[in-house]
Amino acid sequence: AQSVTQLDSHVSVSEGTPVLLRCNYSSSYSPSLFWYVQHPNKGLQLLLKYTSAATLVKGINGFEAEFKKSETSFHLTKPSAHMSDAAEYFCVVSINDYKLSFGAGTTVTVRA
Amino acid sequence: DGGITQSPKYLFRKEGQNVTLSCEQNLNHDAMYWYRQDPGQGLRLIYYSQIVNDFQKGDIAEGYSVSREKKESFPLTVTSAQKNPTAFYLCASSIIPGQASGWANVLTFGAGSRLTVL
Repeated sequence: AQSVTQLDSHVSVSEGTPVLLRCNYSSSYSPSLFWYVQHPNKGLQLLLKYTSAATLVKGINGFEAEFKKSETSFHLTKPSAHMSDAAEYFCVVSINDYKLSFGAGTTVTVRA
Repeated sequence: DGGITQSPKYLFRKEGQNVTLSCEQNLNHDAMYWYRQDPGQGLRLIYYSQIVNDFQKGDIAEGYSVSREKKESFPLTVTSAQKNPTAFYLCASSIIPGQASGWANVLTFGAGSRLTVL
């Protein structure tokens, strides 16, 4: 069964430093993978998606993720954190056309 | 602007009462979804609908009901049979997964409804 594991429940960074959010996936075939962001009491917004094209995927707000099949990973990075990046981030894998499996989420705090 | 509107944003319910959460979209999306979010658990699928007058149970459908009489609307009823209804509920929509979507079911989410049972 397809699933994702987010390796950190909470990440704290200083403004201007890099952000790394780790995600491992489990899938019996080449999956579709996504990262979504959720600000407090809001809905989720798509950051980026991987669908078996380029392994390095660029998203919105300076985020990018790299699909590594050998490591079954899809880590999310950003070179320089901004205060507005404080939010919860979800790694997601597609199970079928209509079902997704969400990770438990990683909360990012950004220190001034 | 196109999007998804969920109402109410906050709702309080007494035990034993049914409550209906509204979800309306003007994106012309065929598929609509309801998710439940609890702290530290990610999102879990309650129901989804691929087309008008048709819907399927998700992973946690017990104690919930839905209808899809119009393409734009997908209301969720939380019944008294739902044992632990206090949660944040998110509605989402998508085009039918296929070539137009890059073979990925990308969801557009509403802002959510927070239900508290007193």
